Amino acid sequence: DAGITQSPRHKVTETGTPVTLRCHQTENHRYMYWYRQDPGHGLRLIHYSYGVKDTDKGEVSDGYSVSRSKTEDFLLTLESATSSQTSVYFCAISPAWDRDADTQYFGPGTRLTVL
Amino acid sequence: GENVEQHPSTLSVQEGDSAVIKCTYSDSASNYFPWYKQELGKRPQLIIDIRSNVGEKKDQRIAVTLNKTAKHFSLHITETQPEDSAVYFCAASIGTGNQFYFGTGTSLTVIP
Repeated sequence: DAGITQSPRHKVTETGTPVTLRCHQTENHRYMYWYRQDPGHGLRLIHYSYGVKDTDKGEVSDGYSVSRSKTEDFLLTLESATSSQTSVYFCAISPAWDRDADTQYFGPGTRLTVL
Repeated sequence: GENVEQHPSTLSVQEGDSAVIKCTYSDSASNYFPWYKQELGKRPQLIIDIRSNVGEKKDQRIAVTLNKTAKHFSLHITETQPEDSAVYFCAASIGTGNQFYFGTGTSLTVIP
């Protein structure tokens, strides 16, 4: 599991409210990613991080922001949630061990419903 | 950016038969191609990967082939079993720390 946890695992919220999802890892991995998964679209990258305070946008970043103030935590924030952001959100890491540094391992996911 | 297409979107096979899933990519700079298996309600799990300096890789009943010239790669599952039933995703990347571009998935059903 590459030591990845996500919280909360399930959340129901209302349109217009702020939401923060947390990804936590315990193995000092440098690269962390946030994806959303929707039927018919596969997995799409929202934002990613290549180190503390170093982040960049993915292909579906509108409406989302991220922060990484320490190596082990990567936070995804929906400033004002909309129904189109109802999805399953997966965090992923690229492992610190060099042999497989180019692959990604996924956390358990967070199911978010925006009413 | 990269565009990954995956076919078929659904696939049903009889237990013991082979299954083949195909993906194409557009960016010739892509050099890493993983395959993930996702069971219902679970996270995607890496099952096999291939790098661009290799044409084929096998792991027991699973194999992946890569044709760089044609920009396509395929997953082959032999002697399928009911527990192979899942959604399979292909992806492409240009390397360490770079984003993955995923296909839209193939739902495989193995009929006992």
